[in-house]
Amino acid sequence: RKEVEQDPGPFNVPEGATVAFNCTYSNSASQSFFWYRQDCRKEPKLLMSVYSSGNEDGRFTAQLNRASQYISLLIRDSKLSDSATYLCVVSLNNAGNMLTFGGGTRLMVKP
Amino acid sequence: DADVTQTPRNRITKTGKRIMLECSQTKGHDRMYWYRQDPGLGLRLIYYSFDVKDINKGEISDGYSVSRQAQAKFSLSLESAIPNQTALYFCATSDVEKATQYFGPGTRLLVL
Repeated sequence: RKEVEQDPGPFNVPEGATVAFNCTYSNSASQSFFWYRQDCRKEPKLLMSVYSSGNEDGRFTAQLNRASQYISLLIRDSKLSDSATYLCVVSLNNAGNMLTFGGGTRLMVKP
Repeated sequence: DADVTQTPRNRITKTGKRIMLECSQTKGHDRMYWYRQDPGLGLRLIYYSFDVKDINKGEISDGYSVSRQAQAKFSLSLESAIPNQTALYFCATSDVEKATQYFGPGTRLLVL
């Protein structure tokens, strides 16, 4: 079983749609959680950290459910520029220096 | 200029050859990492270094070695390349106390 599992997609949605991705992690000792974004053939970049109480950054909302060991990312009012692969990432320490990556979920936003 | 650079960006080599991938950073970070990415498998950690005198194996270190020549430089070597080392390789850096890792642009390696 993979340590961090994601639905690979692709999720094909029209512009303006709301889309949600989930991710599950196997190690209950995980301390820190993140969503990274990776454009095709580019390097991953931090999208947002995920906090226990949930957090929002503009159109993006992240939630953490420690009891069920899953993390979610909600994107509202999808833009064409949101098309990318979204990587769920967990860390066993609070500094987040040792990261375990999920395989990514691909999102394609259509006009 | 990019904060984390990798050379070469693309490389084709033959089985059995020795190759080196180089990473340089201007972010002043102490911590550096090498990952490989394969389709559907996510990024997997090969080696990491928390300072110039520190080298640690990651999840998939077999067949690889590293050298931390200076705070700003971290090299990955494949002593005898094999086809299943064909992948996209990323270098990353991070500060001691912060979670964010900053990635280089990647090196595409094809081993024939």
